[in-house]
Amino acid sequence: DAKTTQPTSMDCAEGRAANLPCNHSTISGNEYVYWYRQIHSQGPQYIIHGLKNNETNEMASLIITEDRKSSTLILPHATLRDTAVYYCIVNNGANNLFFGTGTRLTVIP
Amino acid sequence: SAVISQKPSRDICQRGTSLTIQCQVDSQVTMMFWYRQQPGQSLTLIATANQGSEATYESGFVIDKFPISRPNLTFSTLTVSNMSPEDSSIYLCSVGGGVYGYTFGSGTRLTVV
Repeated sequence: DAKTTQPTSMDCAEGRAANLPCNHSTISGNEYVYWYRQIHSQGPQYIIHGLKNNETNEMASLIITEDRKSSTLILPHATLRDTAVYYCIVNNGANNLFFGTGTRLTVIP
Repeated sequence: SAVISQKPSRDICQRGTSLTIQCQVDSQVTMMFWYRQQPGQSLTLIATANQGSEATYESGFVIDKFPISRPNLTFSTLTVSNMSPEDSSIYLCSVGGGVYGYTFGSGTRLTVV
């Protein structure tokens, strides 16, 4: 059962900000929004997560709408190494991460 | 966050045989997770492995096909038994949760011929 909806694919010019949207309209009050990415032939990599407030770390920023029904992952200056499949996941701390199909981001030189 | 070493990184196996995949973590962890990623698909959780107890399998996965061992807090194995071409996938182990999220191994790319 898909808890999140993401575009199938996106392109971004190298050096520009990549904004990856995610809809999670049925999110529960105790569920966090997590973002992972999977670079080709590697295991998924944790990027960031948040509950209500916007979050920023060395990799990305996460903007969560006030009603928590959607969020946006921002890679401020995309590089070619950011080309990957990005997964938006809602989870309340349960062990079963449902990955969905993700967004395939291609950073173009 | 933890560092995971997963072996083998890839293998080509004959149908009807079995393959055991190893996952070593650099720190003690309570739970380890095994995922499958079929070609062109997303990840699906196979089972959760706790040290000292039997693994908990997700719907559609059974112990006879995917036996799991968890002999200590830093190590686990997943066996893919009596393989068929449909078992060709990437198999990944994972640990963690909480504020650092989950850490994944680099995966084992299995091809069954």
